[in-house]
Amino acid sequence: GAVVSQHPSWVICKSGTSVKIECRSLDFQATTMFWYRQFPKQSLMLMATSNEGSKATYEQGVEKDKFLINHASLTLSTLTVTSAHPEDSSFYICSARWGNQAYGYTFGSGTRLTVV
Amino acid sequence: AQSVAQPEDQVNVAEGNPLTVKCTYSVSGNPYLFWYVQYPNRGLQFLLKYITGDNLVKGSYGFEAEFNKSQTSFHLKKPSALVSDSALYFCAVRDIPLAAGNKLTFGGGTRVLVKP
Repeated sequence: GAVVSQHPSWVICKSGTSVKIECRSLDFQATTMFWYRQFPKQSLMLMATSNEGSKATYEQGVEKDKFLINHASLTLSTLTVTSAHPEDSSFYICSARWGNQAYGYTFGSGTRLTVV
Repeated sequence: AQSVAQPEDQVNVAEGNPLTVKCTYSVSGNPYLFWYVQYPNRGLQFLLKYITGDNLVKGSYGFEAEFNKSQTSFHLKKPSALVSDSALYFCAVRDIPLAAGNKLTFGGGTRVLVKP
């Protein structure tokens, strides 16, 4: 149980285009989802916290207009990288809280974004 | 603010030898502590967590960790390492008070290399 499916697993796009990454909770309702960015050989950097039905809370330094997060249902959150540039190339990982416990977190398999 | 430190960027160990990956944390209250493992181009896999109770926590794949409140540490251990344990390991902490929010804070990661 508590499976998060993240798609696509990898994507290559041209500079200036937008890319959408989906994160779905398959067998539970995720009221809170998290989006992380990971640079090569580095740790996970929290970008934003999304709550179903409300605006995402972005971490300091993360451009909300560039990284659009939508959490329209209890099973789906999306991250759209708008007007992508090569410096946006990175590994993006979503995570969701599950259950009523304060310590249930599960992670998607990640998306490798390459902007050329 | 909560923080996590993993002092070693890389740990090298021979197969069959004990493996230890160090983690120290800082929180304002009592912590929830987690260990995750990441294989190349994949998301994070949960290994174990400490919430309360016994300081020695046993997790997946033969891993265990010991919560030491006085030293604010939560080191990951495995008595006999396998080549397949070679991966990137992350320690994470969540502060219990609700004011700290739901988010996990990750350490910088430790790359484990188990040599045959």
